[in-house]
Amino acid sequence: NAGVTQTPKFRILKIGQSMTLQCTQDMNHNYMYWYRQDPGMGLKLIYYSVGAGITDKGEVPNGYNVSRSTTEDFPLRLELAAPSQTSVYFCASTSDRRVNTEAFFGQGTRLTVV
Amino acid sequence: AQKVTQAQTEISVVEKEDVTLDCVYETRDTTYYLFWYKQPPSGELVFLIRRNSFDEQNEISGRYSWNFQKSTSSFNFTITASQVVDSAVYFCALLSMDSNYQLIWGAGTKLIIKP
Repeated sequence: NAGVTQTPKFRILKIGQSMTLQCTQDMNHNYMYWYRQDPGMGLKLIYYSVGAGITDKGEVPNGYNVSRSTTEDFPLRLELAAPSQTSVYFCASTSDRRVNTEAFFGQGTRLTVV
Repeated sequence: AQKVTQAQTEISVVEKEDVTLDCVYETRDTTYYLFWYKQPPSGELVFLIRRNSFDEQNEISGRYSWNFQKSTSSFNFTITASQVVDSAVYFCALLSMDSNYQLIWGAGTKLIIKP
């Protein structure tokens, strides 16, 4: 099992550029999340999804968009990159099995906006 | 509202000392899950443990142990005989079934183990 796969691992963007962070999981998890982690800080929830076709805002959604057309994929879109979006981004997924809930994370994407 | 508090921002100990990282959570849900993750300097998040709300047994895994107490809403993590490789940021997290499975994270505790 690959688990949760994020691409790219590193990216440098210029202000105003756009990009999509890819996230895919092969565990058939319904719940997927995007977090950002600023230096020395904890994780802040950007968006989450409870299943294909359903997404919702987290704590810090401004400047981002998501889609969930399939169970496996949950891409995060930055439309007009700003220096404030310089961060490490983590994608995660969880199962909704009542007895054995797990949370899995991708390896992270380090994004720098200059 | 769900909340996870890790009051210790940074802990520094000398190698071989025991150290306990505190985690206090708040939830009104009766069914929930608690996690500890380790984030070493390399940046990835490493899963350490998951505990269900209906299982209050403490757990030991090598030098790591976890003390789950529903009465005080705490899920503390102890490292016995700490080693330099234990240096990392440790996060406690809460997953609640009745709040759409949003993972709620503590701010993390930075653990520094000095040789």
